[in-house]
Amino acid sequence: QSALTQPRSVSGSPGQSVTISCTGTSSDVGGYNYVSWYQHHPAKAPKLMIYDVTKRPSGVPDRFSGSKSGNTASLTISGLQAEDEADYYCCSYAGSYTWVFGGGTKLTVL
Amino acid sequence: QVQLQESGPGLVKPSQTLSLTCTVSGGSISSDTYHWNWIRQPAGEGLEWIGRIYSSGSTNYHPSLKSRITISLDTSKNQFSLRLNSVTAADTAVYYCARRYSGTNWFDPWGPGTLVTVSS
Repeated sequence: QSALTQPRSVSGSPGQSVTISCTGTSSDVGGYNYVSWYQHHPAKAPKLMIYDVTKRPSGVPDRFSGSKSGNTASLTISGLQAEDEADYYCCSYAGSYTWVFGGGTKLTVL
Repeated sequence: QVQLQESGPGLVKPSQTLSLTCTVSGGSISSDTYHWNWIRQPAGEGLEWIGRIYSSGSTNYHPSLKSRITISLDTSKNQFSLRLNSVTAADTAVYYCARRYSGTNWFDPWGPGTLVTVSS
């Protein structure tokens, strides 16, 4: 069970859009529509942003959207704001009641 | 609103046992609606799901930790606990507890996390 692959960092200016990729295998990302995304500000609890690939919990701005193609899931943040600067982690169900996370992506708002 | 809070020693010696507790407030740990999870993040690395427990007491663990880990419930205190045996420096991490709804595959909410350092 290997960690999902995410870019180490991405950046964008306020108002722009950025996309964070999350690559797994047919045993996790590609095998289930159970990808979730978490926003993590330092020293705070991670926050659920997207679940089941495309769904947004109540209270999460519609600037955040998710998608998946094959073994790669993506999180897109449009209309970047300063408060979006954080680490983002993807997570996928990996079968047999286990879950696997990505290595995390640091988003910098320039 | 449910809140989770991790607690336990911040320093553990190599080869000893790491023990952490997650206290749940605002909801019952005995509910069959939820599963209770431990997730960790070594310094400079990504998150790693390490195990879960259901209200029935059934558990599932990360394959690489299965031989060293035990997760248990204490319904009288509305807490669940993690024990990790024979720790090494590789177990140094921030440990989080998190809730998962039955039948779903996402974690919400999470506790703020607690740093455990394995060092002599």
